[in-house]
Amino acid sequence: NAGVTQTPKFRVLKTGQSMTLLCAQDMNHEYMYWYRQDPGMGLRLIHYSVGEGTTAKGEVPDGYNVSRLKKQNFLLGLESAAPSQTSVYFCASKHPGTSGEHTDTQYFGPGTRLTVL
Amino acid sequence: AQKVTQAQTEISVVEKEDVTLDCVYETRDTTYYLFWYKQPPSGELVFLIRRNSFDEQNEISGRYSWNFQKSTSSFNFTITASQVVDSAVYFCALKYNFNKFYFGSGTKLNVKP
Repeated sequence: NAGVTQTPKFRVLKTGQSMTLLCAQDMNHEYMYWYRQDPGMGLRLIHYSVGEGTTAKGEVPDGYNVSRLKKQNFLLGLESAAPSQTSVYFCASKHPGTSGEHTDTQYFGPGTRLTVL
Repeated sequence: AQKVTQAQTEISVVEKEDVTLDCVYETRDTTYYLFWYKQPPSGELVFLIRRNSFDEQNEISGRYSWNFQKSTSSFNFTITASQVVDSAVYFCALKYNFNKFYFGSGTKLNVKP
């Protein structure tokens, strides 16, 4: 199992450009998340999905869109990148279960480092 | 409103010292879950522990132990006999509203030989 993978690992954009980050998981998890990590601020939830075809807003959704067309993939889009979106982006997935040792344990991808000039 | 506060931005200790990382949380949910994650210099996030709001028993796993106290809304993490490999950023997190997670700002632990 590859777990959670993210593509690309690094990217540099110019202001106004668009791009899509891909998150893929092979653990058959229902829930998937996108976070951004900025220095001194921990991880902040951008959007999340509780299943194929569903998405919902997190704490900091502005400037981002997401899609979950397939259960294993969760895409994060930036339509018009801004320097404020320079960050490290993490994707995570988890089971929805209510009991058991691994309930609510999020499995994280390795991150994508995005720089917007 | 949900909130997780890790007041210690950075801690430095010498190897073999014990160290406690503090986490204070706020939530209106009556049922909630608390977590600790480790982020070593390589950048990946590693799950350490999950605790639900109904279980206030302390937990010990090797050199790691966790002290959950609802009365003070705290979920502190202690590393006994620290090692250089423990150097990392540690995040405390709160699960709320069924599906959302709120992370603290992290505590960077430096363990010097």
